[in-house]
Amino acid sequence: ETGVTQTPRHLVMGMTNKKSLKCEQHLGHNAMYWYKQSAKKPLELMFVYSLEERVENNSVPSRFSPECPNSSHLFLHLHTLQPEDSALYLCASSQDEGAANYGYTFGSGTRLTVV
Amino acid sequence: QKEVEQNSGPLSVPEGAIASLNCTYSDRGSQSFFWYRQYSGKSPELIMSIYSNGDKEDGRFTAQLNKASQYVSLLIRDSQPSDSATYLCAVRTSYDKVIFGPGTSLSVIP
Repeated sequence: ETGVTQTPRHLVMGMTNKKSLKCEQHLGHNAMYWYKQSAKKPLELMFVYSLEERVENNSVPSRFSPECPNSSHLFLHLHTLQPEDSALYLCASSQDEGAANYGYTFGSGTRLTVV
Repeated sequence: QKEVEQNSGPLSVPEGAIASLNCTYSDRGSQSFFWYRQYSGKSPELIMSIYSNGDKEDGRFTAQLNKASQYVSLLIRDSQPSDSATYLCAVRTSYDKVIFGPGTSLSVIP
C-alpha cells in the first residue's frame, strides 16, 4: 500500500465535462507533483508544489488547473479536455522539491480516457 | 539531443541471468540519479538512487554511475520472472529538474 493515494483509479469523461483528480499523501512530504504518462513517451512533469506554493507550471494548457489546499492534498481540475489528453495521470510526493537524493513516491495513478 | 536516453527494449534475459539496463544523460552537472521499476498497469516504484561515481549495491540490484561518461546503469543479478517490468531512469539535473527517460522494458524468461 503506497503512502500516496489517488482517486479515482479510472475516469472516462466527455470533452465538455468538468472533473477533478484527487491526491493525498500520508508521508509528511513537503513537495507534490502531477505527472502525465502517455504510451511510448517519457513521464512529463506538469506541476510542482512546494509547501503548498506552486513553483512550476511546465507549459501545461489552461484546461488543466491544479490546486493544493495544504501540504497533504493535491487536486487536478479538468475541463474541456481533448482526446489527446487521455493518459495515466500520476501524483507524486517527495521530502523536498527536486527530490534531492530521496526520489519520489508515486500514487497508483488515474487512467483518464477522454471521449 | 534528448536529456535522458534509454534503450526502449524489450530486453529479454533468461531466468537466473544478469540483466543490464543502461541510461545516458546530457547535463554534465547532474548530481542525483534514480532507477524506478514500473509493472504493467502500475505506478513507478523507486528501487535505487546513486549520486557518487562507482557502484552501489542493494540485494540483487547494483547501480553504476560514471559521471565522466554521463552514464548510469542498473544490473539485476539472478533475474527472476517477477523482475519483468519497465525500468525508468531519472536524473536530477543541475537546474534542479528531475527528467525521466522513456524506460526499458525487461522480460525475464523462465
